[in-house]
Amino acid sequence: NSKVIQTPRYLVKGQGQKAKMRCIPEKGHPVVFWYQQNKNNEFKFLINFQNQEVLQQIDMTEKRFSAECPSNSPCSLEIQSSEAGDSALYLCASSDRGLYAEQFFGPGTRLTVL
Amino acid sequence: GDSVIQMQGQVTLSENDFLFINCTYSTTGYPTLFWYVQYSGEGPQLLLQVTTANNKGSSRGFEATYDKGTTSFHLQKTSVQEIDSAVYYCAMGSGGSNAKLTFGKGTKLSVKS
Repeated sequence: NSKVIQTPRYLVKGQGQKAKMRCIPEKGHPVVFWYQQNKNNEFKFLINFQNQEVLQQIDMTEKRFSAECPSNSPCSLEIQSSEAGDSALYLCASSDRGLYAEQFFGPGTRLTVL
Repeated sequence: GDSVIQMQGQVTLSENDFLFINCTYSTTGYPTLFWYVQYSGEGPQLLLQVTTANNKGSSRGFEATYDKGTTSFHLQKTSVQEIDSAVYYCAMGSGGSNAKLTFGKGTKLSVKS
């Protein structure tokens, strides 16, 4: 079973508000991924890190999204100015960087933008 | 770009029925193929994983064979149980161990007792 911790589990924001969610990867896992799962269950990769360094990221819409994985602190994903279309389940996953590494997912943060 | 196709959005079966979920993929890289299962209110969990063409993965009675010739990775189970009710996703990673996963759209399995 996954030991990825995500907080909060539920987040409700008004349009234009900041929304911040956190992720603690499994111990010893240097690679962290963020995905967005929309109401149609479709997954969208957002960004991944190896330790503190960004490996790959999409062109986050109008730069409203930012993410970091500081040393000795939880990783975080923040939406600077929430929009209704950002309502989704945000999933954090970690892997141990093995050759064919499985990604272990947390339970997600359910964001609702009113 | 990479893509994963799952055509079946929903499957309804009775207990002890045979399950078959189609999955095909497209990539120019060397894929690792996964089936994840997601229960209500939880994140996806790995069900099985295959890294080598023509190899089979199996777990909890589920099986899938990575068929490079037909670029398929169909999921099957001989006899489903009510506890198997969940959403199943075919996923592909390519480009190394740090690469993102590309997911199919998911198949919601409902098993009636």
